[in-house]
Amino acid sequence: GQQVMQIPQYQHVQEGEDFTTYCNSSTTLSNIQWYKQRPGGHPVFLIQLVKSGEVKKQKRLTFQFGEAKKNSSLHITATQTTDVGTYFCAPPQSNTGKLIFGQGTTLQVKP
Amino acid sequence: KAGVTQTPRYLIKTRGQQVTLSCSPISGHRSVSWYQQTPGQGLQFLFEYFSETQRNKGNFPGRFSGRQFSNSRSEMNVSTLELGDSALYLCASSFYPIAKNIQYFGAGTRLSVL
Repeated sequence: GQQVMQIPQYQHVQEGEDFTTYCNSSTTLSNIQWYKQRPGGHPVFLIQLVKSGEVKKQKRLTFQFGEAKKNSSLHITATQTTDVGTYFCAPPQSNTGKLIFGQGTTLQVKP
Repeated sequence: KAGVTQTPRYLIKTRGQQVTLSCSPISGHRSVSWYQQTPGQGLQFLFEYFSETQRNKGNFPGRFSGRQFSNSRSEMNVSTLELGDSALYLCASSFYPIAKNIQYFGAGTRLSVL
């Protein structure tokens, strides 16, 4: 069945360093969403990517959708302590449309 | 606009009991999905309701059930609780079926089964 792999599982960075998380699918995706969950909180929608090769920016966050629409990445430039949390990618399952959440990448930022 | 409201926020039950969790979606949202979140398994999809009909179901045993009312509010029920059911249960609403729309999550109900 359709699988989503997110790497790395954990990342510890010094404040000011960059951070990237990758999401890889076994099948071609129609679109992909990204969510952030702060410690003790709930997932919050960040962005949706739809087009092949699409790149979207939100301040220090850059989201990319691969040309083959089988992978995506989230890059944070110059991390801040407010970036702490778990980042999930979530593409829809091809036959049902329900979202499949990756295992998430938990980011820790040392001040 | 009020967000997704889940009640109760915390619940402690013992094995064998049953539990009902409630979710009120954002006004105007007709799709409600339920997820189970545990440290080991991550975010797992339970089911989705749209206009009172179950549209999608995840790979959970029949002890997990849900329903949606005409005002889009949803409930999920877990019968014969097991220790492994301890988790954060998240409800999310969206304007359309989830294939096309953003999920807005509630704060969740943290269930502890003793």
